[in-house]
Amino acid sequence: AQSVTQLDSQVPVFEEAPVELRCNYSSSVSVYLFWYVQYPNQGLQLLLKYLSGSTLVKGINGFEAEFNKSQTSFHLRKPSVHISDTAEYFCAVSDGSGYSTLTFGKGTMLLVSP
Amino acid sequence: DGGITQSPKYLFRKEGQNVTLSCEQNLNHDAMYWYRQDPGQGLRLIYYSQIVNDFQKGDIAEGYSVSREKKESFPLTVTSAQKNPTAFYLCASSNRAGSSTDTQYFGPGTRLTVL
Repeated sequence: AQSVTQLDSQVPVFEEAPVELRCNYSSSVSVYLFWYVQYPNQGLQLLLKYLSGSTLVKGINGFEAEFNKSQTSFHLRKPSVHISDTAEYFCAVSDGSGYSTLTFGKGTMLLVSP
Repeated sequence: DGGITQSPKYLFRKEGQNVTLSCEQNLNHDAMYWYRQDPGQGLRLIYYSQIVNDFQKGDIAEGYSVSREKKESFPLTVTSAQKNPTAFYLCASSNRAGSSTDTQYFGPGTRLTVL
């Protein structure tokens, strides 16, 4: 069985500051990793995903994430946040077997203030 | 425009009533999914379908039912057996059945409130 832990339920940050949202996973097999963003009362939108190859993955809106197999982590980073980045961020894992279902973390609310 | 539509956006029902949530996609995707979202709980998988006329239970299927009679449609019925149905429900689809690498695309969600 696979699981995802997002270590922070909320991350407050000032505009133009850097941010890191943490994600750790557990799985007995190879994994594929995803970050999604959800704006209030909306569906989820893919930010980026790691399938294979380079461990540094660049996504939309200036976000990037680094896959670290030894630490079983996939932390999301942005060097300078904007007010519009205020949203909930979900890390998810797929174990590459069976019917390709995703297991989601509980989410991290990023609160950007001026 | 291609995408996933869910209707209605807000739904109110009395306790003990069954209710059906609509999900339609025009992306020609094989796979479709239903998730439930509660505050602080992330998304939990209710049911998923890889092909027409076939579907599997997810982690929290009790009290829910689905059908997949058409490729583009995957309605979810919340039955009276679901003990705590008030939640935000999200439908998603992905391109290829059985592919773990494909992105799941999400609809805008339906917020169900049971009074």
